[in-house]
Amino acid sequence: DTEVTQTPKHLVMGMTNKKSLKCEQHMGHRAMYWYKQKAKKPPELMFVYSYEKLSINESVPSRFSPECPNSSLLNLHLHALQPEDSALYLCASSQDSGYGTDTQYFGPGTRLTVL
Amino acid sequence: RKEVEQDPGPFNVPEGATVAFNCTYSNSASQSFFWYRQDCRKEPKLLMSVYSSGNEDGRFTAQLNRASQYISLLIRDSKLSDSATYLCVGNNYGQNFVFGPGTRLSVLP
Repeated sequence: DTEVTQTPKHLVMGMTNKKSLKCEQHMGHRAMYWYKQKAKKPPELMFVYSYEKLSINESVPSRFSPECPNSSLLNLHLHALQPEDSALYLCASSQDSGYGTDTQYFGPGTRLTVL
Repeated sequence: RKEVEQDPGPFNVPEGATVAFNCTYSNSASQSFFWYRQDCRKEPKLLMSVYSSGNEDGRFTAQLNRASQYISLLIRDSKLSDSATYLCVGNNYGQNFVFGPGTRLSVLP
């Protein structure tokens, strides 16, 4: 099973709202990722968690706050977003073996619209 | 210069054609490579992993040339359902996955 699940599929929020995106995998992977993808562009890395610790933050604005409650779950908390934050938010996971041969698997994404 | 570069596309080919995409990378330490296909408004889906010289899966063949630092993807007997964006991804080490910009393919009836 190479499934990564994400909820919700779609989210519309105002600039003053607080919402959360959720991601789950049961492949025993120890690295989990958040990406942001705009139309006709490749995914852009936001955060990486490795063994439940934040290992990479690509200078993401603080209105995005990641959380990794356990090795299977990854959340992205959203607060005071801007319209330009509207995008497809993708979660991914990989084994994190450290050998450079790991494969990333993506969830279906959450399509976020900020009004 | 971007770390992973791809043919700009778009590629418009008739059904049944053979089409090849190239991807070049600048980091010689890259360990492995992947081709993902991504349909419009969907997530990237793994098409093929490439660790050594190449890989073949049905109509799809990937070749890796470490000396010249490029990876190719060949699609034979194109189907309408092959229309998508193809992303070339390199893994330098562990969590460091680097995406190319993608190449769009349209297979025409």
